[in-house]
Amino acid sequence: QVQLVQSGAEVKKPGASVKVSCKASGYTFTGYYMHWVRQAPGQGLEWMGRINPNSGGTNYAQKFQGRVTMTRDTSISTAYMELSRLRSDDTAVYYCARDRDFPDLWGRGTLVTVSS
Amino acid sequence: DIVMTQTPLSLSVTPGQPASISCKSSQSLLHSDGKTYLYWYLQKPGQPPQLLIYEVSNRFSGVPDRFSGSGSGTDFTLKISRVEAEDVGVYYCMQSIQLPRLTFGGGTKVEIK
Repeated sequence: QVQLVQSGAEVKKPGASVKVSCKASGYTFTGYYMHWVRQAPGQGLEWMGRINPNSGGTNYAQKFQGRVTMTRDTSISTAYMELSRLRSDDTAVYYCARDRDFPDLWGRGTLVTVSS
Repeated sequence: DIVMTQTPLSLSVTPGQPASISCKSSQSLLHSDGKTYLYWYLQKPGQPPQLLIYEVSNRFSGVPDRFSGSGSGTDFTLKISRVEAEDVGVYYCMQSIQLPRLTFGGGTKVEIK
């Protein structure tokens, strides 16, 4: 069925990097942009950026410029979001979401905990 | 960036009663193509957001007709005609007129009395 399956929870130390994956199935992966949105504990939704799985082109929120890298592997229909130089306030659930001019299909999220 | 402001912060509703959530944007969400890029999502506890309404007033596939959206320009409303227990969660409005940038409202938590 149509779904996005994300990688499992991660625990990282401050200063480290994390790479979250998002595997698409049930639709043409290269036909839709993919957003990444995060949600800190008890907080709202924050857009991080978007990747075009067809071209690999990216757009990042200014807040994350220089720290975030979004990539994809079309051979396995998987998008990736890597966040570097992690801080404690990067502790959040990270979601991928398919774009149809709006996010219509979301992954279940990946909890990233940053703690020393 | 467009700022999305939701009110109220929380709502406690008796089952079967109506509920209404307001969302105001800092800029008009009416595009030159004639569409208004305002959406409503519900995030149930422990789940990702799920789309309820797209382009102000269109119910997404499978969304019950007790949910309705209205508004124009910068002022929008989500209404639930008769709240049910399964409607609990946090409701978010979102704009996509500034694609690729998306911005969300702060959320409105709906609980059952």
